[in-house]
This record gives sequence, structure tokens and C-alpha cells, in this order.
Amino acid sequence: NAGVTQTPKFQVLKTGQSMTLQCAQDMNHNSMYWYRQDPGMGLRLIYYSASEGTTDKGEVPNGYNVSRLNKREFSLRLESAAPSQTSVYFCASSLEAWNYGYTFGSGTRLTVV
Amino acid sequence: AQSVTQPDIHITVSEGASLELRCNYSYGATPYLFWYVQSPGQGLQLLLKYFSGDTLVQGIKGFEAEFKRSQSSFNLRKPSVHWSDAAEYFCAVGARSGGSNYKLTFGKGTLLTVNP
Repeated sequence: NAGVTQTPKFQVLKTGQSMTLQCAQDMNHNSMYWYRQDPGMGLRLIYYSASEGTTDKGEVPNGYNVSRLNKREFSLRLESAAPSQTSVYFCASSLEAWNYGYTFGSGTRLTVV
Repeated sequence: AQSVTQPDIHITVSEGASLELRCNYSYGATPYLFWYVQSPGQGLQLLLKYFSGDTLVQGIKGFEAEFKRSQSSFNLRKPSVHWSDAAEYFCAVGARSGGSNYKLTFGKGTLLTVNP
């Protein structure tokens, strides 16, 4: 019962580098989400995928792209990392978008220097 | 658009004392309301949720919350706090944001410290 698995757990990037954060769930959930968490800001939605084959922008999508590779996997890509993207990134999934019973991964702590 | 306010950034209580964490929401229709807990270095775990029906909902770890429509509030309570309850707590509101888009919006969190 792994739930939501995120890789890597930690990453340091130089400004301008690119990377992809991976997320996979094994609960047969239809909807998946990427959030970023910054001190004093709570969680802010970056992108989400209500179902396989669809993706939509959330509150703070600039500088990010996503791919819903299949029902299990939803990746987040930073094409040209900036210091403002230093954050903790969480992936979550839910059975359906309207269900809201989100299961969260343990997060990726990203530092851009 | 919906929003969530958690007025208290940091609360300190003694072990065994009662706890109430405040949450106010803004949404035009009946909201779906949630409380999540985050232990250091961990992801968020769902404590409880309110969709409809009884306005007092029970959750895991001995927590409960009461929905008060007249006050637009969904406060989290626990009668007796344990040291293991020290964590950050997030209130969230779920609402439809057009078409088939459903959005969960989080408050900024309340950090709970428990003194022995």
C-alpha cells in the first residue's frame, strides 16, 4: 500500500537547469494534482489532471509544465529553474476530482541556487 | 472564488489541555470542508471532512470539527491534546470552479506546539 510516491525527495538545481519531478499512485485514482508549499503561504495548486488525458492550470502554473503519462503517473517539469521555484512540491491524487479525498505524497524539497 | 482564512499562525497549548483551531471560509454555495494535518517532513493527512448532513463531524486521532454556516466557520477541536499532536494544521475548502473543474483551496496553516 504505497499510495502516492514522489521522486526525488531532495534536489538542488542551478538557475537555468531543467528537471522533472515524478509522481505515481497505485490506488487507481482518476485525478492527480501538483502543489507547492512555501512558508506562510499554505499549499498552492500548480496544475492538475482531472482524468487521464486531461491537464489544467491551477493557481500558479507559470514556469511549469505537466504530463499525465498514464493513469498512474503525473510528472511536473521545470524547463528553466529559477530561485523563486525553491519550494516543497507535493503530488496528490483522488478517486474523482469532485471527491476531494486527496492522498498526498511525502514531497520533494527543491532548492534552486 | 473560494478562500480560506486561518487566523492563528501559531498556537501553543499544554499537553492535556483542550484545543480549538479556527477556520473561516468564503464561498457562495454550500462548501465541502476539510482539515488536514502535516507532521514535519511529511505530506498532508486528511483528519476529517464535511460534505453535508450533521454539522459536527468526527475524524481520526480524536479530532472533531463543527460547521457553522451563519459564521462561515469550520473550527477544529480536540478535548485533550497529546504531545504527538504537534504539527501544522490546514483547513481547506472544495468547490466547483466552472465546468467540470473542482478545486481544493487551502488556508495558510496553523502551527501547533504542545508543551509537556
